[in-house]
Amino acid sequence: QQQVKQSPQSLIVQKGGISIINCAYENTAFDYFPWYQQFPGKGPALLIAIRPDVSEKKEGRFTISFNKSAKQFSLHIMDSQPGDSATYFCAAALGGATNKLIFGTGTLLAVQP
Amino acid sequence: DVKVTQSSRYLVKRTGEKVFLECVQDMDHENMFWYRQDPGLGLRLIYFSYDVKMKEKGDIPEGYSVSREKKERFSLILESASTNQTSMYLCASSKQRYSNQPQHFGDGTRLSIL
Repeated sequence: QQQVKQSPQSLIVQKGGISIINCAYENTAFDYFPWYQQFPGKGPALLIAIRPDVSEKKEGRFTISFNKSAKQFSLHIMDSQPGDSATYFCAAALGGATNKLIFGTGTLLAVQP
Repeated sequence: DVKVTQSSRYLVKRTGEKVFLECVQDMDHENMFWYRQDPGLGLRLIYFSYDVKMKEKGDIPEGYSVSREKKERFSLILESASTNQTSMYLCASSKQRYSNQPQHFGDGTRLSIL
């Protein structure tokens, strides 16, 4: 119940295309869903996040879509650029006085020029 | 900007050695975390700390311990290193103990146990 399942494991997209990464969870006590981006040789960095009372959040070319009834959420990268090539992790956090995150297994995105 | 510094980028140790990984953050954050990152497994939480001298087990604490004597410093200890502890280790910190607080990561220590 504590797992967050992420797919696909890897993704190749042409420049200008849309990249879509999906995550699913079981525990309805999760109340915060961030996405982290990791470049080679660097630690992950927060990219965008959403709470379950919102169905969509957009920041620039990055959008999170959230389906509470299906317990799924996804990251969409519009107009994908070679500079977006990185590993992306979805995560989920339990509500209350905790900052503990459960991470997905990661998606390696390659955007071809 | 928040700076989380891990003392070594690469480390090679031998089986049975006691190994110390050090992490320092410069933003007076309350919370600190140790993860290991393995291909296909994502980030898994080893230990975390919400305050000085406090620690809580994460999802995979076996074979590890931690120390937090000062607010800015969080150490991960491998009591007797084994080859299955070869991995990338990531330290993170966050400001407050709420679910929506972003975690700030260091650049990792790649540890090889021979």
